[in-house]
Amino acid sequence: QKEVEQDPGPLSVPEGAIVSLNCTYSNSAFQYFMWYRQYSRKGPELLMYTYSSGNKEDGRFTAQVDKSSKYISLFIRDSQPSDSATYLCAMSSPYQGGSEKLVFGKGTKLTVNP
Amino acid sequence: NAGVTQTPKFQVLKTGQSMTLQCAQDMNHEYMSWYRQDPGMGLRLIHYSVGAGITDQGEVPNGYNVSRSTTEDFPLRLLSAAPSQTSVYFCASRRAGSDAQYFGPGTRLTVT
Repeated sequence: QKEVEQDPGPLSVPEGAIVSLNCTYSNSAFQYFMWYRQYSRKGPELLMYTYSSGNKEDGRFTAQVDKSSKYISLFIRDSQPSDSATYLCAMSSPYQGGSEKLVFGKGTKLTVNP
Repeated sequence: NAGVTQTPKFQVLKTGQSMTLQCAQDMNHEYMSWYRQDPGMGLRLIHYSVGAGITDQGEVPNGYNVSRSTTEDFPLRLLSAAPSQTSVYFCASRRAGSDAQYFGPGTRLTVT
């Protein structure tokens, strides 16, 4: 079983839709959870960072972590064409190299149609 | 403030050739890393450094060397290029005590 599983999509939604992106993981030692956004032919940029279980909101973005189910989500409200990108989940354990050993999902490609 | 810069943007090598991918950051970040990104494989850590003079291996280190003589620079050397090293390479840096990694724009490498 891979450490981090992420549905690659692609996912296509109309402008204004609520988008849900998800990752599951198998390593119970993971404590730091991140979402990166990567535009085509660019480097990833950190979008959201959460520690342990719970929700974190930043504007139209909400990151959710459920450690009991080993499941993390990113919700995008009122999606915009500028949200079209590949979204990567990433996680790490402080006991296994910390952020230097981030484990990434394969990414979900999202297209928001005007 | 340029952030993380990488050169070259594109490179084509023949099997067996060697080359160095350059990475520099001007944010005085202690930690720097190299990743490769392949279709269907996601981002994988090659090597990383927690400070000048200190490096360690990541998930896929074979065929690559690194050194860190200054805080700013973290070059990645391909010793003898192989077609399996065709990929997009990203350099990243972060400040000690923060989990926010800043990625460079990437180098697209093709080995024929």
